Amino acid sequence: AQSVTQLDSQVPVFEEAPVELRCNYSSSVSVYLFWYVQYPNQGLQLLLKYLSGSTLVKGINGFEAEFNKSQTSFHLRKPSVHISDTAEYFCAVILMNRDDKIIFGKGTRLHILP
Amino acid sequence: GVTQSPTHLIKTRGQQVTLRCSSQSGHNTVSWYQQALGQGPQFIFQYYREEENGRGNFPPRFSGLQFPNDSSELNVNALELDDSALYLCASSFGQEGYGYTFGSGTRLTVV
Repeated sequence: AQSVTQLDSQVPVFEEAPVELRCNYSSSVSVYLFWYVQYPNQGLQLLLKYLSGSTLVKGINGFEAEFNKSQTSFHLRKPSVHISDTAEYFCAVILMNRDDKIIFGKGTRLHILP
Repeated sequence: GVTQSPTHLIKTRGQQVTLRCSSQSGHNTVSWYQQALGQGPQFIFQYYREEENGRGNFPPRFSGLQFPNDSSELNVNALELDDSALYLCASSFGQEGYGYTFGSGTRLTVV
């Protein structure tokens, strides 16, 4: 069965420090990959997506992610976080043979420490 | 964008509820997701041109409608306590999930 695993439920990091949020997926078919952000009491906002091409994907708000097919990973990184990055981050996949639904991980809560 | 109403709702177990969504103009596909507390969103179903064309692992008491005027509904009958969640609507042009725009959700509490 297909699944998305976010290895950390919470990640504390000091302001202006770098951060990496980890994501691994399991699928028998090829996938598209996504990161979404959810600010408190809000819906989901797309940070970035990988559909094809370069495995290094740049998104909004200074975030980037790298697709590693051999390790089935799609880790999210930012070189310097800001207090406004405090949010829940969701890794997600879409199966290429079932592209109507998005399969989400359980989320990682990013805590920015002053 | 995508707008949802109401933003919050409290219902009693056994009741029925209707949640509404207004899609982004020009979008012909709408999907609904359920996000329980502390979990990622889970796919309920997708409507394309007013017909259901994809469904997740949700019972038939979850149903939907899509109207020609960019609006849609999610109906849940015989509410259970476990139905308490944030319900997210997403719309796109085309059935592919990678084009979705999400609304801010409706927080449903069942007591």
